[in-house]
Amino acid sequence: SQKIEQNSEALNIQEGKTATLTCNYTNYSPAYLQWYRQDPGRGPVFLLLIRENEKEKRKERLKVTFDTTLKQSLFHITASQPADSATYLCALGQAGTALIFGKGTTLSVSS
Amino acid sequence: DAGITQSPRHKVTETGTPVTLRCHQTENHRYMYWYRQDPGHGLRLIHYSYGVKDTDKGEVSDGYSVSRSKTEDFLLTLESATSSQTSVYFCAISESTGLAKNIQYFGAGTRLSVL
Repeated sequence: SQKIEQNSEALNIQEGKTATLTCNYTNYSPAYLQWYRQDPGRGPVFLLLIRENEKEKRKERLKVTFDTTLKQSLFHITASQPADSATYLCALGQAGTALIFGKGTTLSVSS
Repeated sequence: DAGITQSPRHKVTETGTPVTLRCHQTENHRYMYWYRQDPGHGLRLIHYSYGVKDTDKGEVSDGYSVSRSKTEDFLLTLESATSSQTSVYFCAISESTGLAKNIQYFGAGTRLSVL
């Protein structure tokens, strides 16, 4: 069956460092991958989408890579700030099907 | 929350009672989804709708039914609530399931406790 794993449930880093979150998948061939941010008590909010034929996507301090050979996406937040503390979800999709979400990684950035 | 309203936001109910959660959107998006989110399981799809009166099951549909009589409203019903249905329920919408148009916009969630 399809499986998505986000590297760890929690990641703690210091302000100013780069946070790197991992999303691995098996038994699936996604056409695209998305990353969402979720704050406590709120619904997830879309951040970035990367297609299977794209290697990298950037948006401000965020960078996403997608390696279909390794079946892995990396999500980077550079120059992290305490305001970046949240849970980050990856989601895989194919055209015409519903998204499959990972369980999320909770990032804590300390000042 | 992108023109999505979930009601109620919080509900406590007893085992065996029926419960209906409502999702209302003002974006005129075709697709609507119900998810549940539990510790250790992440977001799991319950049911989704791809148009008025058009619905399909998701990963964890047992014990749930849905209805969509208008584009803007998607109802989730627990016919006879059980303690295992205690969870946070999220509604989401998207324009389609195609590549760039399957960006999902979520409501604020409904926290349901079944005692």
